[in-house]
Amino acid sequence: DIQMTQSPSTLSASVGDRVTITCRASQSISSWLAWYQQKPGKAPNLLMYRASTLESGVPSRFSGSGSGTEFTLTISSLQPDDFATYYCQQYNTYPLTFGGGTKVEIK
Amino acid sequence: EEPLVESGGGLVQPGGSLRLSCAASGINFNGFYMSWVRQPPGKGLEWVANIKEDGTDKYYVDSVRGRFTISRDNAGNSLYLQMNSLRVEDTAVYYCARSRGWRAYMDVWGKGTTVTVSS
Repeated sequence: DIQMTQSPSTLSASVGDRVTITCRASQSISSWLAWYQQKPGKAPNLLMYRASTLESGVPSRFSGSGSGTEFTLTISSLQPDDFATYYCQQYNTYPLTFGGGTKVEIK
Repeated sequence: EEPLVESGGGLVQPGGSLRLSCAASGINFNGFYMSWVRQPPGKGLEWVANIKEDGTDKYYVDSVRGRFTISRDNAGNSLYLQMNSLRVEDTAVYYCARSRGWRAYMDVWGKGTTVTVSS
C-alpha cells in the first residue's frame, strides 16, 4: 500500500498568513493526488485534484503543486473560513489512501 | 436537498451485521463510480470500497474484504454497504461519496452515518 505522510500534523497561523502543507507518498504517484478540507462534524470537501487543478468553486487563494512523491497545498492568505483539517489522498493505486491530516489552528 | 444521504448506522455488537444505505438525488449517480469512506472517532479518513457504474467491478481495502459488500441500485439511485462480522475497529462515521473514475478522488460527499461496534 502507498503510505501518505502529511506535515505538519498541526499548524498555528493567523488570518492573512501564507500557509503551506506538505504531503509525501511512499512511492511515486505521478500527479494522482487530491486535497480535501474538513471542518469539525462535517464531511470532507474536495479542494484540488491532479495535484494542482482547483475544483470548481474553490477560492483561488488555494493552490497545489508537486509530482512524484512530494506535494504541497498552499493557502496564500489564510481566511477565517480556512481553519480546518486538510487531507491529501492518492489515487494512483488501490487501495486509495489518505494522509493523516493537518489541522490548521488559529494562532 | 442534500445530494447524498446515508442511513442505517447504529450500535451493534461485535460479530454482528449492519446494512448502510446511501440515497442520491439531484446528481448524476448512474454515470459514476461510488465509494464508501470511513472515519474513526478523532482519526483520519480511510477509503473502504468502490463500485463501478454498472456494479460489475468492486474494490475493497484489505481490512474489510470478505466481510463487507458494496452494491448499488441504479434504478433507485442508491448505494449500499453490507457489513458482516463487525469488529470494534469498524467503529466510525461512514461517508458515501461519488468518485470521478475508476481510481479517483471523491467530489460529492454525504454527511455520514455513525456505526458503533461495542458490547
